[in-house]
Amino acid sequence: RKEVEQDPGPFNVPEGATVAFNCTYSNSASQSFFWYRQDCRKEPKLLMSVYSSGNEDGRFTAQLNRASQYISLLIRDSKLSDSATYLCVVNMRNSGYALNFGKGTSLLVTP
Amino acid sequence: EAEVAQSPRYKITEKSQAVAFWCDPISGHATLYWYRQILGQGPELLVQFQDESVVDDSQLPKDRFSAERLKGVDSTLKIQPAELGDSAMYLCASSLVGDNEQFFGPGTRLTVL
Repeated sequence: RKEVEQDPGPFNVPEGATVAFNCTYSNSASQSFFWYRQDCRKEPKLLMSVYSSGNEDGRFTAQLNRASQYISLLIRDSKLSDSATYLCVVNMRNSGYALNFGKGTSLLVTP
Repeated sequence: EAEVAQSPRYKITEKSQAVAFWCDPISGHATLYWYRQILGQGPELLVQFQDESVVDDSQLPKDRFSAERLKGVDSTLKIQPAELGDSAMYLCASSLVGDNEQFFGPGTRLTVL
């Protein structure tokens, strides 16, 4: 069983829609959590870290539930430029360890 | 803005040939990672360096893959001999010691025919 599980999608949504991605992780000792964005044939880039208290960055909101080992990403008012693959990422330590990536969830925002 | 450099960006080779990829991390980043990303999958760690020392190479297929970072700066990943299943994107990332954020290079896309 893979350590980080995501619904691969694809999610096709119209501009302006709200879309939510979910992710579960298997190792309860995991300590750091992130969402990365990856455009087609490009490298992954950090979108945001995820904290237990929940955090927001503009139209993006990330939530972490340690008890359920569940991470979510909510995108409000979707833009065409949000079309990408969103990777759920878990780290075993607070720093210095390799990242464990999910397979990614593909989002296509249509006009 | 400082970036992780990788070369070549694309490589096509025939199976059983040797290939090598190069990575130059962001200046001052002591930690360097090589990941492999197969199409439709997330990146998976191959090897992690702290300065010139290997921290984790448990997922590196050592019968055909080797990696080095001799002076603790740039790094080379080699595959010999290449197999069809090695076709993937090879990503290099770097981070400051004790820092969570990893910065990825543009990757080398390998196609093995």
